Amino acid sequence: NAGVMQNPRHLVRRRGQEARLRCSPMKGHSHVYWYRQLPEEGLKFMVYLQKENIIDESGMPKERFSAEFPKEGPSILRIQQVVRGDSAAYFCASSPELAGLYEQFFGPGTRLTVL
Amino acid sequence: GESVGLHLPTLSVQEGDNSIINCAYSNSASDYFIWYKQESGKGPQFIIDIRSNMDKRQGQRVTVLLNKTVKHLSLQIAATQPGDSAVYFCAENIEWGGSNYKLTFGKGTLLTVNP
Repeated sequence: NAGVMQNPRHLVRRRGQEARLRCSPMKGHSHVYWYRQLPEEGLKFMVYLQKENIIDESGMPKERFSAEFPKEGPSILRIQQVVRGDSAAYFCASSPELAGLYEQFFGPGTRLTVL
Repeated sequence: GESVGLHLPTLSVQEGDNSIINCAYSNSASDYFIWYKQESGKGPQFIIDIRSNMDKRQGQRVTVLLNKTVKHLSLQIAATQPGDSAVYFCAENIEWGGSNYKLTFGKGTLLTVNP
């Protein structure tokens, strides 16, 4: 059973460009979470999605950031018009659908560098 | 602000010694806690969890202790090995909206194991 997959692993963008980060959850998982991590800091919750629905986006900036988890395909975190402050590691996690199984499984992350 | 924090940002131990990493939380409604290990350049990896109806749980070489009275969590690693060198995060899982959950992470403790 493959783990959570993220791509690309490293992404370099110039200021003003768009960044698209992809996350494929573990097989059978329909809950996806995105986190952001700055160097030497903990993970900050951004958004929680279930298939085709955004459940909680309280941690995501209101502008330039968006996330989706379509019926088919990976979850996408999209950052428009990137700025240097967006440089960070972005982690995706997934969990099973069944209530009571609380553990989240993390992917390897995408390291975004904005020049 | 953060509801989960760590007492020690760094911990250095000798190989073979026991390690203790501490964590404080402030949300009395938290009902589930997780310790994650994050190695350099990788995503967080689940180590052990504990529910609020327990005060101790043991795994392989690891033990988590929960003191709800003082809202304190600790991770004990027995016979620490060089491979244990990593950043350790505690996270509290808060239920909201029925069957949805959100993880809040502390800043992490860097554990360094000296040979």
